Amino acid sequence: SAVISQKPSRDICQRGTSLTIQCQVDSQVTMMFWYRQQPGQSLTLIATANQGSEATYESGFVIDKFPISRPNLTFSTLTVSNMSPEDSSIYLCSARRGSDTEAFFGQGTRLTVV
Amino acid sequence: QKEVEQDPGPLSVPEGAIVSLNCTYSNSAFQYFMWYRQYSRKGPELLMYTYSSGNKEDGRFTAQVDKSSKYISLFIRDSQPSDSATYLCAMGSNTGNQFYFGTGTSLTVIP
Repeated sequence: SAVISQKPSRDICQRGTSLTIQCQVDSQVTMMFWYRQQPGQSLTLIATANQGSEATYESGFVIDKFPISRPNLTFSTLTVSNMSPEDSSIYLCSARRGSDTEAFFGQGTRLTVV
Repeated sequence: QKEVEQDPGPLSVPEGAIVSLNCTYSNSAFQYFMWYRQYSRKGPELLMYTYSSGNKEDGRFTAQVDKSSKYISLFIRDSQPSDSATYLCAMGSNTGNQFYFGTGTSLTVIP
């Protein structure tokens, strides 16, 4: 298994500001992902964080709004930029060791935009 | 049609009951199947991971996969109040890194 530490665990932010969420894995992993989970809905993949290159974004998500960094094989950040109340959600970091392995999750960041 | 369908519940059972949670899917390319448990205000916790049809057992939990019917199940025996959580199914394929999740089933086990 992999232990994933995510911070902050929660935050309340003002409209128009940005928040950076950090994700630290206790060992090197091949793949890291960022998901959004809204109440009563399935997990939605925002992007795959690629080590040493630009993240791969899913349809409906763009780099200007959700810039992602992954400087090494154990760490990644997601920034939610120019926030609006619609960005209020739980943001989850996930990691996989390989393409045929299971995914592990951090405890999530509960974001409220006011 | 969604990739993965899961009954959201809520499901309420007495302590000691056998719980059956189910998901159906449409993509025959899915080869990896997972069940996660998510407590309120926590991240999903992996319960079961399997990549073949049939049953896989781990303690009180049994995961069942029927690829011909595109149907997966999670059985919880001797359910406990501590099993009260949302259960998410997830699946993926060799053709991509993304996992597809169900919406989750909310389970309450009543003492």
